[in-house]
Amino acid sequence: EVQLVESGGGLVQPGRSLRLSCAVSGFTFGDYAISWVRQAPGKGLEWITFIRSKLYGETIEYAASVKGRFTISRDDSKNIAYLQMNSLQTEDTAVYYCTRGASSDSQWNFSSDYWGQGTLVTVSS
Amino acid sequence: EILLTQSPGTLSLSPGERATLSCRASESVSTKYLAWLQQRPGQAPRLLISGTFRRATDIPDRFSGSGSGTDFTLTISRLEPEDFAVYYCQQYNRSPYTFGQGTKLEIK
Repeated sequence: EVQLVESGGGLVQPGRSLRLSCAVSGFTFGDYAISWVRQAPGKGLEWITFIRSKLYGETIEYAASVKGRFTISRDDSKNIAYLQMNSLQTEDTAVYYCTRGASSDSQWNFSSDYWGQGTLVTVSS
Repeated sequence: EILLTQSPGTLSLSPGERATLSCRASESVSTKYLAWLQQRPGQAPRLLISGTFRRATDIPDRFSGSGSGTDFTLTISRLEPEDFAVYYCQQYNRSPYTFGQGTKLEIK
C-alpha cells in the first residue's frame, strides 16, 4: 500500500524556521518525483515545489511565493523528502501535503496520484 | 504562470443529475498535462483524472474529462451522494504547476 506521512508541522513565530518531513512506503521512492502542495485555511490548493527523481537529475522548481525561503530535498536511502521552511510569514499558515508524481505520467511532467494526510503549519506570534 | 479559472464557483445539483465543470487556462495547455482532483471535507485531495482523459486507479467511469487548448471539462454523468465535494483542475504543462480556484459541488 502506498503511503505518504507528513510530520514536523506546528506553531511557529514569524521569521522562524521549520522543517517538514514526508516519509513514504509501499513504492520505490527513488523512482518518483515528490511535490509539496499547501492549503491555507478555507482556501484552495497551492502548488509550492517539486523535486524530480535522480533519473531526471533531481531537478527542482519552486513557486514564486516560496522561492528563496523554502528548500526541498530528498534522501532516497531513507525514503524521506523534506521541506525546509525559513523566514516564515503569517501567510505561510496552511496544511502542507506531500504528494507522489503520478505513475501514469512521465516523472518530468506529472500530476499527483498519492497524497499524504497533511501537516498543519501555523505561523503566528 | 498559467492561470486556471474554474466555473462555476458553486454548482447546486441533485443526486442522479449530470454535472459539468469547466476549467479555462490563460494559455494553451497540452492535453497530456491537465488533471482533475476531488477534495471532500476534511480529506486530502484525490486524483480523478490525469492527461485530460485518463481516469486514475479506482475512479468510477461516471467521471470523464475532455477538452483541449485552453478549455477543459470534467463531467460526472450521474451524481452519487459521495460526489458532492470541491473539484480542482491543475496544469502541469510547465512550472509553476498551478491549480484552479475550485468548484464546489453541493446538494440542491
